[in-house]
Amino acid sequence: GAGVSQSPSNKVTEKGKDVELRCDPISGHTALYWYRQSLGQGLEFLIYFQGNSAPDKSGLPSDRFSAERTGGSVSTLTIQRTQQEDSAVYLCASSSEGLAGDTQYFGPGTRLTVL
Amino acid sequence: EDKVVQSPLSLVVHEGDTVTLNCSYEVTNFRSLLWYKQEKKAPTFLFMLTSSGIEKKSGRLSSILDKKELFSILNITATQTGDSAVYLCAVVDSNYQLIWGAGTKLIIKP
Repeated sequence: GAGVSQSPSNKVTEKGKDVELRCDPISGHTALYWYRQSLGQGLEFLIYFQGNSAPDKSGLPSDRFSAERTGGSVSTLTIQRTQQEDSAVYLCASSSEGLAGDTQYFGPGTRLTVL
Repeated sequence: EDKVVQSPLSLVVHEGDTVTLNCSYEVTNFRSLLWYKQEKKAPTFLFMLTSSGIEKKSGRLSSILDKKELFSILNITATQTGDSAVYLCAVVDSNYQLIWGAGTKLIIKP
């Protein structure tokens, strides 16, 4: 389909390992967002990419988290030395221009479980 | 294929009106249904519904789930201009994957 896709859908890892989560946004969308959601909780903003501008990293919880967006399209969220509290569903969204009020289109999420 | 359909896609009302937003779903292994309000960068969580027939309420907003008919509604009473936003519905399946609706764009005119 033409929607936002994420991979893997599920990831189980051991504490201390690094993980990479991938997001393929809708083609042509210039804005890309990463969020995480713990069960029953709201979305926690992590990072925002808009075109070629420097990303807004204000939501990253620690320096173990980083994200890249290559060629203005695919994005990878990397979590180093995972901790159990990193367990959550990680969601990616894209929007056409990243303006306030633009509809964000969400992917299905990657469920990360850190043992 | 699992899907979530929201209606209407857009809605324009006047301040003080009551609105009802709809979310219907066809999801094989339903776990819960989520409502969000999206106006700026990060959507704001409104409700999580898991049990049929139990209304969740927060101020002027309320929501209810019907698991037999496979839908949920979000009601907003005495609307204010600050309620203008896109309202998103998502269903969480048994694998914790989220299936998203396209959203309802709500505009409240003064």
